[in-house]
Amino acid sequence: AQSVTQLDSQVPVFEEAPVELRCNYSSSVSVYLFWYVQYPNQGLQLLLKYLSGSTLVESINGFEAEFNKSQTSFHLRKPSVHISDTAEYFCAVSSGGSNYKLTFGKGTLLTVNP
Amino acid sequence: KAGVTQTPRYLIKTRGQQVTLSCSPISGHRSVSWYQQTPGQGLQFLFEYFSETQRNKGNFPGRFSGRQFSNSRSEMNVSTLELGDSALYLCASSPFGEDGELFFGEGSRLTVL
Repeated sequence: AQSVTQLDSQVPVFEEAPVELRCNYSSSVSVYLFWYVQYPNQGLQLLLKYLSGSTLVESINGFEAEFNKSQTSFHLRKPSVHISDTAEYFCAVSSGGSNYKLTFGKGTLLTVNP
Repeated sequence: KAGVTQTPRYLIKTRGQQVTLSCSPISGHRSVSWYQQTPGQGLQFLFEYFSETQRNKGNFPGRFSGRQFSNSRSEMNVSTLELGDSALYLCASSPFGEDGELFFGEGSRLTVL
């Protein structure tokens, strides 16, 4: 069985500060890893994904995440956040192939203050 | 390209009633998944359909069911509603559903009184 742990339920930061949202996963098989973002009253949007290859993946809006197999982590980082980054962020894992589902963490609410 | 469309967006039901939620996937996507989102349990997988066949099912009671039509549109049904069924129900589609990259709708918010 797979599981995802997001270590912080809430992360408040000031605008232009760096941020790291932590995610650890547990799985007995190779995994695909994802970060999804949910803005208020909306569905989830894919932020970035790791399927294979380079362990550092980037999004178009400045976020990046690094897959660390030995530490079973996939932390999300951004060097300088904006007010518009305020949202809930979900880490998710999938085994792909015949396992057609995502297992999500509980989410981290990122609040960017002016 | 239109996104995933879910209807209705909001609905209120009473205990014991049943509800049907609808999802239209992105054109060309053949995999449709459903998730339940609640403050306490977070996002939980309900089921996934591909070409009208249920390929995977989460740990929900039999009151939760779904189906997929030949045009890939999907419906989920919850019978004998309980207070604990109040949640945001999210539908997601993907071309084949094999790598976990999903495109989500805005959800149907169900309130059970």
